[in-house]
Parts: sequence; structure tokens; C-alpha cells
Amino acid sequence: EPEVTQTPSHQVTQMGQEVILRCVPISNHLYFYWYRQILGQKVEFLVSFYNNEISEKSEIFDDQFSVERPDGSNFTLKIRSTKLEDSAMYFCASSDLGGSTDTQYFGPGTRLTVL
Amino acid sequence: DAKTTQPNSMESNEEEPVHLPCNHSTISGTDYIHWYRQLPSQGPEYVIHGLTSNVNNRMASLAIAEDRKSSTLILHRATLRDAAVYYCILREFLNAGKSTFGDGTTLTVKP
Repeated sequence: EPEVTQTPSHQVTQMGQEVILRCVPISNHLYFYWYRQILGQKVEFLVSFYNNEISEKSEIFDDQFSVERPDGSNFTLKIRSTKLEDSAMYFCASSDLGGSTDTQYFGPGTRLTVL
Repeated sequence: DAKTTQPNSMESNEEEPVHLPCNHSTISGTDYIHWYRQLPSQGPEYVIHGLTSNVNNRMASLAIAEDRKSSTLILHRATLRDAAVYYCILREFLNAGKSTFGDGTTLTVKP
């Protein structure tokens, strides 16, 4: 069964450093998402992406964050200057239709630890 | 966003049915009801979704109240592997891209 993959599984970085989290969505999917989950808290929506553009973003997704689909298979989340509060699990998801009936398939997540 | 309310936690015995309730009294006519679950240390996983009619799939059943103000996820025979946090999510027609997760229900399955 096709699945969303994410690398690395765990990233440790120093505060102020840039990190890039990578995702390979399911191959025929067109809609891509990033969510994050701070330890012990809810899963929070960050951004949705379709047709090489951001479709929607949350208040969390400020200028420190950016997303890119650099080639036909990868979808990346960049955090330019990490803060301690960026420590969280980051989940990538993809879907094929993008509508209200759509199933979103989530990856296993990248645990980001900012020291 | 329309809000959902779920119990914080529920317990079940293995091989018994589990009924996980969700209240969504402010649901609009075009909102779909989705259920996802998150097993420990994993990403969320789709379970089932519906609009008005009850739905069945290989994982679970979804019973939707006639007025759509509540729904119930039914696991017919709970296994230890079903221990997870279960999220009831409303996918809005105009903001269909994102899923807004609440606190969910933590299901504990006892052997």
C-alpha cells in the first residue's frame, strides 16, 4: 500500500539554525499538507499546498516557515531560524482530491528538537 | 470552524464493541464528519467519514444522528492494536483542505 514517507525521523538543531524537513507524498496525490504536534498537545494544521502554491496557512505558519515542492516527488518544510518552541513532531500529509470528502494520508513524522 | 466535543478517555475490553461518541451541534449542512486515529508514536490514520447516512468499512462503522448533531464511531471488536487517540473532525466545504484536530478520545483496550 502506498504511504507517505518523511526524513529524517529525528532532527536535533541549535536555536537559530535553519532546518529542512522532507516528505515524499503518495505519488499520484496533488494536495500536500504540514501539521505539527507539540508533545502532549493537539495536532495543529500549518499549511496546505496545491498546484505549486500555498492554498491555506494557519497563524503558526509565519515568515519563518516556507514550503516547496522542488521536484516531482518531494515536499519540504523549511524553518529559517528555529526557536525552542518549534520543538515538535511535524507530520506531512497528502491527498488526491483535496475536497471535504478527501482522505488525508499522514507520514510517520519528524521529531524536531531545538536546543 | 465548527467544533466537536469528545470524551477525554474511554476504556474497553478486548474483543468487545466500542462506541466512541462525538458531539458537533454547530455542524453545517455541507460539513463531512471524519474520524482519524493516532496510535502511539505514529501519525494520524484515516478511519472513516460520512455526511448523513451510516457508513461501514473494514475498520469501523460510523453512525450519524438524524439531526447530524452527533455521531458515533463503532469498533465492532476492539483489539489491543486499537488503543489510540480517536479524533472526530468536521471537514468544512469551503475549507476542505485542512483538518482541525481537537483533543480526541484516548481509548484504552484491556486484555
